[in-house]
Amino acid sequence: DTAVSQTPKYLVTQMGNDKSIKCEQNLGHDTMYWYKQDSKKFLKIMFSYNNKELIINETVPNRFSPKSPDKAHLNLHINSLELGDSAVYFCASSPPASGPSYEQYFGPGTRLTVT
Amino acid sequence: AQSVAQPEDQVNVAEGNPLTVKCTYSVSGNPYLFWYVQYPNRGLQFLLKYITGDNLVKGSYGFEAEFNKSQTSFHLKKPSALVSDSALYFCAAGSGTYKYIFGTGTRLKVLA
Repeated sequence: DTAVSQTPKYLVTQMGNDKSIKCEQNLGHDTMYWYKQDSKKFLKIMFSYNNKELIINETVPNRFSPKSPDKAHLNLHINSLELGDSAVYFCASSPPASGPSYEQYFGPGTRLTVT
Repeated sequence: AQSVAQPEDQVNVAEGNPLTVKCTYSVSGNPYLFWYVQYPNRGLQFLLKYITGDNLVKGSYGFEAEFNKSQTSFHLKKPSALVSDSALYFCAAGSGTYKYIFGTGTRLKVLA
């Protein structure tokens, strides 16, 4: 069973479109994250949710809106896509009673290409 | 500002030789430090972490890391490199609440 899964794996779309990426974890974790990895492989946190509540929003444009319907899911919706949004987006989760002392479990990534 | 630095973009090592991938950190309070590995077209996989206690931490696939508080370093090591160790390695630090800061990654290439 996949611990952290993301759909779709690849996403190609045009500028100005709206798209969503879904993430699910079956590890029973309380905390979930979205990361963006750019073409140089730099990894930067975007959002963090704990028990469905937003706890970190790292100066991400308002066009990005995370939604957590329950503890096992954290979806990322992106409005008005721009060329600079092209990247690989990773979802991750970390164990219950989380804090920064716990390791994260990453999904396989979603490669978003905006043309 | 809190940060994690990986000074080497790439490290080349011959198979069978020891390897070291460097990481230094600057975080407030007690550092929680991690190493992750990323294979092509895959997500990051956890290798090991330092929370407290013994400065030498052992992890998956024969990797270990040494925490050095005075030098604010957490270098990843392996006594004998394998070609299959070739990948992208990230050092990370836990900071504040639920926040992790990642280094820029080091590409390890093990030559047969």
